[in-house]
Amino acid sequence: EAGVVQSPRYKIIEKKQPVAFWCNPISGHNTLYWYRQNLGQGPELLIRYENEEAVDDSQLPKDRFSAERLKGVDSTLKIQPAELGDSAVYLCASSPGQGQQETQYFGPGTRLLVL
Amino acid sequence: SQQGEEDPQALSIQEGENATMNCSYKTSINNLQWYRQNSGRGLVHLILIRSNEREKHSGRLRVTLDTSKKSSSLLITASRAADTASYFCATGTTDSWGKLQFGAGTQVVVTP
Repeated sequence: EAGVVQSPRYKIIEKKQPVAFWCNPISGHNTLYWYRQNLGQGPELLIRYENEEAVDDSQLPKDRFSAERLKGVDSTLKIQPAELGDSAVYLCASSPGQGQQETQYFGPGTRLLVL
Repeated sequence: SQQGEEDPQALSIQEGENATMNCSYKTSINNLQWYRQNSGRGLVHLILIRSNEREKHSGRLRVTLDTSKKSSSLLITASRAADTASYFCATGTTDSWGKLQFGAGTQVVVTP
């Protein structure tokens, strides 16, 4: 089966510009996650969706970050305006959403560089 | 903040040797998972161990969990150059359904 798909793979923008990342989870997976991974660190959760509902967005910087998961499938994460400190890898993951002890399946990530 | 801390931060070994890395965490967990990340790639799930389990095997991988010490270890036996990657532990806590908290990872380099 196809894995988690993310695009673009790389993005270079100037500060104050907007940027958007797209994620298509594994078919049938109800739970979708967006993580940010800084260099040399582990992923940190930004937002988690159960179907189309954001059930945990406590770590999402809401002044500049927004996300949506229309129809409970694909998701978009947006940053507007981007700051230098937003340079990181943005990872999308999905899981079946059938229990607490679940494996998460990660996409390849979008590497963002803000100049 | 990150729940888990891996030790060592970096590990360099030769092919055929065993690699051991440890993970310590702070709060009670429901499960602990290990993931691998090759350079420039996403994370790949390796193994999940539940809080009521003490040891688990998968191929050349062996994971132990000591909830009294709040620690876990990952052993890779007979390492190969393809095992070169960063390894992360991630904890699922009882008070946060479905949420994983990752450590900073152990970078493993296996030289031929």
